[in-house]
Amino acid sequence: EAGVAQSPRYKIIEKRQSVAFWCNPISGHATLYWYQQILGQGPKLLIQFQNNGVVDDSQLPKDRFSAERLKGVDSTLKIQPAKLEDSAVYLCASSPLEAAPGLISNQPQHFGDGTRLSIL
Amino acid sequence: QKEVEQDPGPLSVPEGAIVSLNCTYSNSAFQYFMWYRQYSRKGPELLMYTYSSGNKEDGRFTAQVDKSSKYISLFIRDSQPSDSATYLCAANQAGTALIFGKGTTLSVSS
Repeated sequence: EAGVAQSPRYKIIEKRQSVAFWCNPISGHATLYWYQQILGQGPKLLIQFQNNGVVDDSQLPKDRFSAERLKGVDSTLKIQPAKLEDSAVYLCASSPLEAAPGLISNQPQHFGDGTRLSIL
Repeated sequence: QKEVEQDPGPLSVPEGAIVSLNCTYSNSAFQYFMWYRQYSRKGPELLMYTYSSGNKEDGRFTAQVDKSSKYISLFIRDSQPSDSATYLCAANQAGTALIFGKGTTLSVSS
């Protein structure tokens, strides 16, 4: 089974520029997550999708960050304009959704290797 | 208070030692508890996944959850240099995002 694919692996930009990251989840996984991992910290959720709908974006800085998952498969995360504090690794994770209607199940989340973003 | 607390270490042990990694959490609604291993410049890799209290063993790894004290542990037996990595504990409620600790950096010397 192929894992979560992310690109690019590294990106260096200047502050106030824009940047976009791409994620392709494990085939068949309905739930997709974007996490931000600052050096020395654990990952922190930015946004969670179920299929192409947003489940949780409460911690997404919406004045500068946006994300979409138009066809319920691939996803892109964009930052515009970037700030110095956005330097981090951006991780994408996915999990299957196996639940009867109205029943929330919990499945393990599998991560990609992330995009390492440096802001100059 | 952060929802999941983890001592960042670093922790250094000789090859063959038993390693104990620990986390505490504050949200009593957490039901699922995980340990991830993260090598440098790689994404977190799921090691152990447990539901509610109890023990789970997988090879050299044992995960323990004590919900009464809100304590999560990972034990590594016969540690190997290849176990050198950052270990992240995480917890969540069903269908929600993971809440991670800061991670503990482990170094196993041969």
